[in-house]
Amino acid sequence: GNSVTQMEGPVTLSEEAFLTINCTYTATGYPSLFWYVQYPGEGLQLLLKATKADDKGSNKGFEATYRKETTSFHLEKGSVQVSDSAVYFCALSDPNGQNFVFGPGTRLSVLP
Amino acid sequence: DAGVTQSPTHLIKTRGQQVTLRCSPISGHKSVSWYQQVLGQGPQFIFQYYEKEERGRGNFPDRFSARQFPNYSSELNVNALLLGDSALYLCASSPTGGRQPQHFGDGTRLSIL
Repeated sequence: GNSVTQMEGPVTLSEEAFLTINCTYTATGYPSLFWYVQYPGEGLQLLLKATKADDKGSNKGFEATYRKETTSFHLEKGSVQVSDSAVYFCALSDPNGQNFVFGPGTRLSVLP
Repeated sequence: DAGVTQSPTHLIKTRGQQVTLRCSPISGHKSVSWYQQVLGQGPQFIFQYYEKEERGRGNFPDRFSARQFPNYSSELNVNALLLGDSALYLCASSPTGGRQPQHFGDGTRLSIL
């Protein structure tokens, strides 16, 4: 079946550090890929998405590229801020659009 | 515009009882999905509905059921509650479902005693 694997957290960085959160997936065909973020005390929000191989999703300084050959969708940001502290979830929608699968989440803490 | 709204916010039940959770999608969205999120884990897909028809179902027992109404709102029902059903239940909507991004509500926190 479809699955998503994320690097285990928590991840703690200093402000302005470079961020990478790894995400790999298992799916048949060509799923759509997403990163969602959950800030403290708030609900899940879509951060960025990519719908086909080599697509790059970007938002708020975050980027992720859909890599079919490595079945990966790693999240990156060049310079994190304290306000980026949150839990980040990688997710996929199967090609038929009948199932959404989320990873376990990675907690990021950014220290001033 | 209002986002996805869920009710109630919190609920406490005992084992063996039944519960109904409600969701109103974003105006114009015709698809609603339900997820279960246990503390410290990612959301687990339960159901997706589109135009009142079930489009997808996750790996949950038959104690879980749902329906969608003509106004696109939805209810999730859980029968014969178990302690393990304690979780945050999330509703999400999208214009037509499928591979589209989901817009999430704040959830209903269900506690089973």
